[in-house]
Amino acid sequence: DAGITQSPRHKVTETGTPVTLRCHQTENHRYMYWYRQDPGHGLRLIHYSYGVKDTDKGEVSDGYSVSRSKTEDFLLTLESATSSQTSVYFCATQTSGSSTGELFFGEGSRLTVL
Amino acid sequence: AQKITQTQPGMFVQEKEAVTLDCTYDTSDPSYGLFWYKQPSSGEMIFLIYQGSYDQQNATEGRYSLNFQKARKSANLVISASQLGDSAMYFCAMREGGGDYKLSFGAGTTVTVRA
Repeated sequence: DAGITQSPRHKVTETGTPVTLRCHQTENHRYMYWYRQDPGHGLRLIHYSYGVKDTDKGEVSDGYSVSRSKTEDFLLTLESATSSQTSVYFCATQTSGSSTGELFFGEGSRLTVL
Repeated sequence: AQKITQTQPGMFVQEKEAVTLDCTYDTSDPSYGLFWYKQPSSGEMIFLIYQGSYDQQNATEGRYSLNFQKARKSANLVISASQLGDSAMYFCAMREGGGDYKLSFGAGTTVTVRA
């Protein structure tokens, strides 16, 4: 299994506060992704990265920003959290060398915005 | 438009029986891949099986098989001989061409295996 660690695993915060979720991987995978999981929607892509300092938006990027200053770390920031951002957030990675291209997922981070 | 559609929110299956989870997809890309993931109640995402758009045979992995019908754009997952540990949420996902490997997921199907 790919070594993917998310922190924090659980967070409760208040509306309007900034929040940063961290994804750390030890597999030297080039591609990293942030998804959010909500009932009835499955997983939806927020942002992704295809290399250090190279990032792009996914389908639900409004209200989120990301940064990748090192191969192993991918940060997701909510500049001013809203209740609609209450969700479970998953980080995933992928190595360009994979024949199938499956994503390897972290354990998830549950965020509650009050 | 929804790229992946899973029409069954929840299903019950008797232990040792087979169950089929439906998945239809929408893409105009000739090169794509289809995936199934399992999410047990503990929350982790477990990769189960992969089917490439050019693969001639249906993919199989142990008790999992993927019924790939390209003309109908369907990629149904079949779980044979269900076990209690198969109770989980199952997600169908698709990767289209483009080189960024991102996946689009369906809404998921919850499977409950009854003893």
